[in-house]
Amino acid sequence: DAGITQSPRHKVTETGTPVTLRCHQTENHRYMYWYRQDPGHGLRLIHYSYGVKDTDKGEVSDGYSVSRSKTEDFLLTLESATSSQTSVYFCATFGLLGLEAFFGQGTRLTVV
Amino acid sequence: TQLLEQSPQFLSIQEGENLTVYCNSSSVFSSLQWYRQEPGEGPVLLVTVVTGGEVKKLKRLTFQFGDARKDSSLHITAAQTGDTGLYLCAGALGGNEKLTFGTGTRLTIIP
Repeated sequence: DAGITQSPRHKVTETGTPVTLRCHQTENHRYMYWYRQDPGHGLRLIHYSYGVKDTDKGEVSDGYSVSRSKTEDFLLTLESATSSQTSVYFCATFGLLGLEAFFGQGTRLTVV
Repeated sequence: TQLLEQSPQFLSIQEGENLTVYCNSSSVFSSLQWYRQEPGEGPVLLVTVVTGGEVKKLKRLTFQFGDARKDSSLHITAAQTGDTGLYLCAGALGGNEKLTFGTGTRLTIIP
């Protein structure tokens, strides 16, 4: 299994506060992704990275920012959390062959 | 609107029956993947199809990639309770591996 670790695994935060989720990989994969998962929507892409300091927006990027200063770490920041951002967040990496995505265990975020 | 639409969204059938799940898009994908997700876990890859018209079999699961590489199907023969889960299709666009997932099909197999 690819070594992908997400932290924290669970978080409850208040509306209006900033929140940062961390994804760490040990596989040296080039591509990294942040998704959110909500009932009826499958996985929706928030942001992704195709290299250190190279990132791009996904389909639901409003209210989120990302940074990738090292190959192994991809951070997702909710600049000012809202209740609509309550969700399960998954980090994923894509290997060199580009034929399989590997996922972390997910972070359950609740904004109250 | 999501790029990949799956149908049905929910499917509940008796053990031993056959079923087909569909993944459709108006975009052409260089490859398409199917994942299965268990509660509390991240998705896990079942198969990748890369050639239009390709058919792959994984025991009781048969995956097909459409000739135009815009759609795919997953057929399960003689469903078992262990097949219960969320099935997701995914495709990459644009050469920079922007991986997009479908809306998902939640499958329940009743004993």
